[in-house]
Amino acid sequence: ETGVTQTPRHLVMGMTNKKSLKCEQHLGHNAMYWYKQSAKKPLELMFVYNFKEQTENNSVPSRFSPECPNSSHLFLHLHTLQPEDSALYLCASSPRGGRVETQYFGPGTRLLVL
Amino acid sequence: AQTVTQSQPEMSVQEAETVTLSCTYDTSESDYYLFWYKQPPSRQMILVIRQEAYKQQNATENRFSVNFQKAAKSFSLKISDSQLGDAAMYFCAYLRMNYGGATNKLIFGTGTLLAVQP
Repeated sequence: ETGVTQTPRHLVMGMTNKKSLKCEQHLGHNAMYWYKQSAKKPLELMFVYNFKEQTENNSVPSRFSPECPNSSHLFLHLHTLQPEDSALYLCASSPRGGRVETQYFGPGTRLLVL
Repeated sequence: AQTVTQSQPEMSVQEAETVTLSCTYDTSESDYYLFWYKQPPSRQMILVIRQEAYKQQNATENRFSVNFQKAAKSFSLKISDSQLGDAAMYFCAYLRMNYGGATNKLIFGTGTLLAVQP
């Protein structure tokens, strides 16, 4: 248990569905991240939020829409996804402002797009 | 651009033995962090050990230690007295130091899958 939770843990959706992934951190951090982990590829950073403000969008398609209502919660809204979007989606958080910025990860949501 | 390379896709070790996982990186920065993360079959990404580039002393966490060679840009992980629970994918990662509110991008290698034989 790292203090970062993600729901749901597994999700199957059709290409026309709309769904949302949720991440919550209980560590008092103020930076949150979405990563995509596909088979045989390095983890890909998707979005970064610092103090609720999006500071990084790593050329992610608009069918992925992040939302960060406060420093403890992060959502990833999904719509009209493609089968190649099937992957493990990992959320992470880290403290900001200090010298040491270690990222702590949630357990991930395994997404299958049919 | 910074890159992280793990040249060993798979490794195997006997229980109670020692194994070393390799990682090299490329950067022009002088101040940064390096990490080893472990991802067991549960898929939870767990921090194993962290090294700050300005520290010459190698980091150690119980049975896990690193050999940090800054000039060679090498950061290997040594696991001593291997246990069955050490079986996992191990990722090496690089984090550039930044100040003044810049983004914090963790760059991962492709991972090494470690099997532990009983």
